[in-house]
Parts: sequence; structure tokens; C-alpha cells
Amino acid sequence: QKEVEQNSGPLSVPEGAIASLNCTYSDRGSQSFFWYRQYSGKSPELIMSIYSNGDKEDGRFTAQLNKASQYVSLLIRDSQPSDSATYLCAVTVNAGKSTFGDGTTLTVKP
Amino acid sequence: GAVVSQHPSRVICKSGTSVKIECRSLDFQATTMFWYRQFPKQSLMLMATSNEGSKATYEQGVEKDKFLINHASLTLSTLTVTSAHPEDSSFYICSAMPMETQYFGPGTRLLVL
Repeated sequence: QKEVEQNSGPLSVPEGAIASLNCTYSDRGSQSFFWYRQYSGKSPELIMSIYSNGDKEDGRFTAQLNKASQYVSLLIRDSQPSDSATYLCAVTVNAGKSTFGDGTTLTVKP
Repeated sequence: GAVVSQHPSRVICKSGTSVKIECRSLDFQATTMFWYRQFPKQSLMLMATSNEGSKATYEQGVEKDKFLINHASLTLSTLTVTSAHPEDSSFYICSAMPMETQYFGPGTRLLVL
């Protein structure tokens, strides 16, 4: 079992729809959770961080964390073609290196 | 967010030569930096953790004598790919973690001919 697992994708949604990206992790001691976006040929950029159970909203993005279920998700509302990218889930146990999932590729079709 | 820079952004070299990539934290001090490699359409692979003033910690399967890491100051880590071969051609990305959040540099694309 991988430490951090994401939907393999690819995920395709029409413009304006909600895109839902999911991630599960195996280490119950995980404390910090991150979502990164990576455009083709570019390095990852941080979108959201979440540390406690519940929802965290930032513009069109909402991160959801459920530590009991070891599950973290990212919702993108009103998806735009510019959201088309690979989304990486990252989990940190201590204040050290993060473990990354393999990523889910999202395509938003106009 | 925090700013991490890398230089060069792109490098082409001949097989057998060595290539140095620099990673700098521009607005914070970083006692720890990370080096990743990413092949096309594959996920990030952590190569090593760079520690200021001490030896780097390499991930399993990464040759420490081939990928030399030097973290000489709180704002600079370097990765040297020694005796590069075409199979070392990849996208190399560094990152640093101010305040528990990892920020990535823009990456260096290495092509070994």
C-alpha cells in the first residue's frame, strides 16, 4: 500500500463544473496536508494547506480533511480550462519531508 | 508564499561531464532543502534531503557519489550531477520548508547528449 494514494485519473470535467480530487494516506500520525498544482513542464505550486478536520476554503478551492477516515480532498468550483493540470496531494508526519501522491491529472473542457 | 530559485533553468551537456544546479531560498533561511527528480509523465521522486552544515541524506537507490549535494549556507544548496549520462536527463526540482510548508523552485531541465 502506498503511503499517499490519489485517484489515478485522468479526470475530465466540463467548464463550470465542480472537480473533486481525492487522497488517502496511511500514517495516522500525519499532521499536515497540502495540495499542489503542477502544470506540464513546470514545478509544483502550493494551492492549499490544511491541518485540522473540516473544510478550508480559499476562493474557488475547498480542502476537506477527515483524519478518522485518513482522507483529504480538494474541490474546485466553477472549473476553468486554466485549472487543467496535475494535482498532487502531500502529507507530512512531522515538520519534515512530505510524502507525495502520484497525482491526478485534471482536464477542464471548454 | 516563500520564494525558492534555481539556476540554471535549462542545461544541455555532453555525456561524461558534470553539471551543477543551484537552489536558493530568497526570503528565508533554510536549514533543510530537498532535491527531487521527475521524468516525463511520472511523479516526483525525492532524491535527497540537504542539511546545512552536514551531510545530505539520500533516498534508497540514489547514488550519493553521482549526485553530490552541498548545503554550505542557510540559503544555498547545490546538486552536482557527476559524469552525467543520457539516462540522467530529467527535470530536477528543489524545495525548502519555511514554517512546515514546502515550496518548490522552478526546476532545472537537464538534457545529456
